[in-house]
Amino acid sequence: NAGVTQTPKFRILKIGQSMTLQCAQDMNHNYMYWYRQDPGMGLKLIYYSVGAGITDKGEVPNGYNVSRSTTEDFPLRLELAAPSQTSVYFCASSKTGYEQYFGPGTRLTVT
Amino acid sequence: AQTVTQSQPEMSVQEAETVTLSCTYDTSESDYYLFWYKQPPSRQMILVIRQEAYKQQNATENRFSVNFQKAAKSFSLKISDSQLGDAAMYFCASNYGGSQGNLIFGKGTKLSVKP
Repeated sequence: NAGVTQTPKFRILKIGQSMTLQCAQDMNHNYMYWYRQDPGMGLKLIYYSVGAGITDKGEVPNGYNVSRSTTEDFPLRLELAAPSQTSVYFCASSKTGYEQYFGPGTRLTVT
Repeated sequence: AQTVTQSQPEMSVQEAETVTLSCTYDTSESDYYLFWYKQPPSRQMILVIRQEAYKQQNATENRFSVNFQKAAKSFSLKISDSQLGDAAMYFCASNYGGSQGNLIFGKGTKLSVKP
């Protein structure tokens, strides 16, 4: 099992550009999550999904969108990137909705 | 609001010694889980140990154990026989029942291990 995979590992965006962060899991988990981690802080939830076709906002959803068309994939879309979105982004999945397993993260810089 | 607090920004331990990292939380929920995650320089978030709130027995995973004091809302992590590979950021997190699996994280404790 590859677990939770994320691409790309690093990305630099210019202000106003858009991009999609990819996340995939091969554990057949229903629950998937997107978090961001700012320097010196813990992780904050952006969006989550409890199954294909079902998504909901977390604590910091502004500036992001998600979709979940399959159990395996949960991409995060950034529209009109802003410097405040410079962060490390983590995708996670869970079988039960409690214990979560994380991907390796994507470091995004917006300049 | 649910909160998780780690009051020690940095800790240091000598190799082979024992260290305890502190965590307190605040919730009115009765059903919740508590976790410790390790984040080494590689950035990967690694689950170290978990504790279900309804269990009185403290969780143990090899050299890692917790001291769960439910009434005091305290959840500390003890690392025994510390190894150089234990050096990392450690995050305490809680998942409160009914929140669809939303983990609330503390700000983390940076652990250094001296040879």
